[in-house]
Amino acid sequence: ETGVTQSPTHLIKTRGQQVTLRCSSQSGHNTVSWYQQALGQGPQFIFQYYREEENGRGNFPPRFSGLQFPNYSSELNVNALELDDSALYLCASSGPGQGIYEQYFGPGTRLTVT
Amino acid sequence: TQLLEQSPQFLSIQEGENLTVYCNSSSVFSSLQWYRQEPGEGPVLLVTVVTGGEVKKLKRLTFQFGDARKDSSLHITAAQTGDTGLYLCAGGGYNNNDMRFGAGTRLTVKP
Repeated sequence: ETGVTQSPTHLIKTRGQQVTLRCSSQSGHNTVSWYQQALGQGPQFIFQYYREEENGRGNFPPRFSGLQFPNYSSELNVNALELDDSALYLCASSGPGQGIYEQYFGPGTRLTVT
Repeated sequence: TQLLEQSPQFLSIQEGENLTVYCNSSSVFSSLQWYRQEPGEGPVLLVTVVTGGEVKKLKRLTFQFGDARKDSSLHITAAQTGDTGLYLCAGGGYNNNDMRFGAGTRLTVKP
C-alpha cells in the first residue's frame, strides 16, 4: 500500500509568482485535505476535497485554490505569492467514511517565497 | 490565534521520566486527535478520541479526552529518546471536514 506522496519536496518562488503543489492520496482514499504549517505553528486547514468537489474551506483567501482529479490526487494552487506564504504545505488523505478521523499525512512541500 | 492551546510549549526531560502534556480549548469538539511530527515529515496519527471521558492507551502513552470534550491530555510513562518530537493535538468539528490544530509541544528526551 502506497502512502501519501507530495511533490516537489522543496520550492523557492518570488513574491507575486504562482505555484502548484501536488499530492497523491493513499490507495483507496477519496478525500484530500490541505494544510499550511508555518514555522513553530501547528497546521492550519486550507480546504478539503471529496470526490473532486471542495468540501469545506478554512480562513484562506481565494488566491488559494485546489483541484481533485478522478484518481483522487490533488493540486494546491497559490496565486500572487506573498512572503507570508512561506511554509510547509501538507496534504492528508482519508478513506471512505473516515473523514477527518483517520487522516494520513504526506511529508509536505517546503515553500519559500523571497 | 490557535483555537487549541497546548502546554507546555517546550519540554526537555531525561530518559525514564514521566511527563504529561495538555491540550485545552473553550470549544467543544466531536473528536480529538494526537499526532507526532518529526522534522521534515508530516504528522503521524497516534490516536483519535471521540467520547467525553474516554481514556486510550498505546503502549507507554495514555490519552484522555475531557468529560466536556474541550480538552485532552497525553501522558508518557518512562520516556525514551525515540519519543522526541513535536506532539500536536487537533480537534474535529461536527461537519467532519475541518480540523483545528494546536501549536504543539516540542518534547526532547535526553539519554
